[in-house]
Amino acid sequence: AQRVTQPEKLLSVFKGAPVELKCNYSYSGSPELFWYVQYSRQRLQLLLRHISRESIKGFTADLNKGETSFHLKKPFAQEEDSAMYYCALRGQGAQKLVFGQGTRLTINP
Amino acid sequence: EAQVTQNPRYLITVTGKKLTVTCSQNMNHEYMSWYRQDPGLGLRQIYYSMNVEVTDKGDVPEGYKVSRKEKRNFPLILESPSPNQTSLYFCASSWTGITGELFFGEGSRLTVL
Repeated sequence: AQRVTQPEKLLSVFKGAPVELKCNYSYSGSPELFWYVQYSRQRLQLLLRHISRESIKGFTADLNKGETSFHLKKPFAQEEDSAMYYCALRGQGAQKLVFGQGTRLTINP
Repeated sequence: EAQVTQNPRYLITVTGKKLTVTCSQNMNHEYMSWYRQDPGLGLRQIYYSMNVEVTDKGDVPEGYKVSRKEKRNFPLILESPSPNQTSLYFCASSWTGITGELFFGEGSRLTVL
């Protein structure tokens, strides 16, 4: 079975502090992992995907197959990072994304 | 503007009264999908469509129907809504399959009394 777990429903950090949103997954094969973000009054949108190995808005995420994790990190949080973040997984050949429950990130000034 | 449009955005209805939530995309995407979002459960896929006249069940298809007669439209039909279908619904589309980025609609909040 495919499962994505985001252990923190809420995460609050101060501006300028490092932030890490945790994502753990359960999947026996080689998954594709994504982070989606929903800013206030905006649509859910792709933030980054692990195969791209890119940094978007200062965020990075590394797929750790040994720990089955795909944590999202940013060294210095900004107020505009406040949003709802969803980790998602696509299994090999699957035509769906399996989403985690989401983490609401609040950056305090 | 390239986007996915859902209607209605908000709806309160009663048990058993058939309703349709429309979804339209103007990006010529082949793939479209419906998700529902419930507290503590994240987003769960209801149905998806790889192309016109090609639809398939997702994880929670019970109580729903879909159709894909045109590439741009993918309506979600609740033939006989029940209170457990009270939820926030999202339509999404993508170029081909789900290998790329999913583009989401703004969501439709449905309450079934």
